[in-house]
Amino acid sequence: QQQVKQSPQSLIVQKGGISIINCAYENTAFDYFPWYQQFPGKGPALLIAIRPDVSEKKEGRFTISFNKSAKQFSLHIMDSQPGDSATYFCAASTESNYQLIWGAGTKLIIKP
Amino acid sequence: EAGVTQFPSHSVIEKGQTVTLRCDPISGHDNLYWYRRVMGKEIKFLLHFVKESKQDESGMPNNRFLAERTGGTYSTLKVQPAELEDSGVYFCASSQVRDNTEAFFGQGTRLTVV
Repeated sequence: QQQVKQSPQSLIVQKGGISIINCAYENTAFDYFPWYQQFPGKGPALLIAIRPDVSEKKEGRFTISFNKSAKQFSLHIMDSQPGDSATYFCAASTESNYQLIWGAGTKLIIKP
Repeated sequence: EAGVTQFPSHSVIEKGQTVTLRCDPISGHDNLYWYRRVMGKEIKFLLHFVKESKQDESGMPNNRFLAERTGGTYSTLKVQPAELEDSGVYFCASSQVRDNTEAFFGQGTRLTVV
C-alpha cells in the first residue's frame, strides 16, 4: 500500500508554541520524506526533507523527526509565528519511483 | 528567474465541456510533473515528462485526460469531456534533476466543473 497518513487535519497553536504534525507510512521502500509548505494561492514549496539514514534533521525552527521502526515521521515547528500559518503536506517516495505520495495536508493556524 | 507558471489560475466549465490547462516550467528543467488535489484530499501524481517524452503516466485517471509537452518546453493538460469529479486544483512542477527532490511547483489551476 502506497498510502501516507497525515494528522491532524487542522491545528491551532499560540504564537511562540510548538507545532507538531505527524505522518505515517506503510511502504518500507520509501527512502525520501519531504515536507511542503503551501500558502493560499501558491503552490507547495519544499520546506525540509529527510532520508531514513538519519533520525532527525533541523533547519532553523523546523525539525523533522524520523522513526524508521515505527514508520512515522513528524514535523516540529519551534517558536511558531503567525507567518507560519499555512497548509503543510508530508510526502514520500522511493528511489526507483519518483512519484511523490502525499499526505492529505494539515492546515496550521498560529494565533498571535 | 521566473518560476513555474500555470494558466489559467481558475477555470469554471460545464460538465461535458473541454478545458486545457497550461504549464510553463522553469527554463532548462527537463522534468515536468502534473499533480492534482481534489478538495480536502491528498495531492496525487498524474504524470511525469522528461523533455517531450512521457516517462510515467500511471496516475492519469482515464482517457479523458491528455497531456502533451511540445518540444520539451511548456506542457498542456486537456480534459475532454470534463466530469464533475474532475474538479480540483491541478499543480505542475518542474525540476532539473531526474528525481523529485528539487521540484518547484506552480501556483496551480483551480478547476471547477459544474
